[in-house]
Amino acid sequence: KAGVTQTPRYLIKTRGQQVTLSCSPISGHRSVSWYQQTPGQGLQFLFEYFSETQRNKGNFPGRFSGRQFSNSRSEMNVSTLELGDSALYLCASSREAVSGNTIYFGEGSWLTVV
Amino acid sequence: AQSVSQHNHHVILSEAASLELGCNYSYGGTVNLFWYVQYPGQHLQLLLKYFSGDPLVKGIKGFEAEFIKSKFSFNLRKPSVQWSDTAEYFCAVKTNAGKSTFGDGTTLTVKP
Repeated sequence: KAGVTQTPRYLIKTRGQQVTLSCSPISGHRSVSWYQQTPGQGLQFLFEYFSETQRNKGNFPGRFSGRQFSNSRSEMNVSTLELGDSALYLCASSREAVSGNTIYFGEGSWLTVV
Repeated sequence: AQSVSQHNHHVILSEAASLELGCNYSYGGTVNLFWYVQYPGQHLQLLLKYFSGDPLVKGIKGFEAEFIKSKFSFNLRKPSVQWSDTAEYFCAVKTNAGKSTFGDGTTLTVKP
């Protein structure tokens, strides 16, 4: 079956702009989580959605937001982009929002802020 | 809040050497533990996971990890590494509340 799909794969934005990234989870998966990966900070948890509700949130400023639709697809938005937001943004899905379920990652969206 | 610590940032080994990557976590409750691998140019994929039962878990490609509850550790091992094991390895903890925390990752370079 198809894996986690993220779009766009690569994008370049200017400081101050906003960006929306999209994630389609594996069919049947209802939990979607987002991560930021940078060389200096590693993998950092952004937020997790389950059944259109945000269940968990990491330590990121309010400029980072997300949502989940009824078909489990998710989007994350970053407003007022800063140079430090340049990173690989990873989406992961799992069947249910419980600890025992494995999360599966997409290939990520590479965001460069100039 | 939980945290995950991976002690080695970069490990360099020759082929056939044994590997052990350390992972310690801090969290007072029940956790599930994972090791993920990211090969160059590829996305993160699951190596192995521990939920309950036998604390020694075996994963793909000959990897195994042992959960030692008293030490809050979940070290990854492989008796004989191959050049194709060159990758970045991430330890992760997931709590019952569903929140995942990853370590900073360990880059493994295996010299042929």
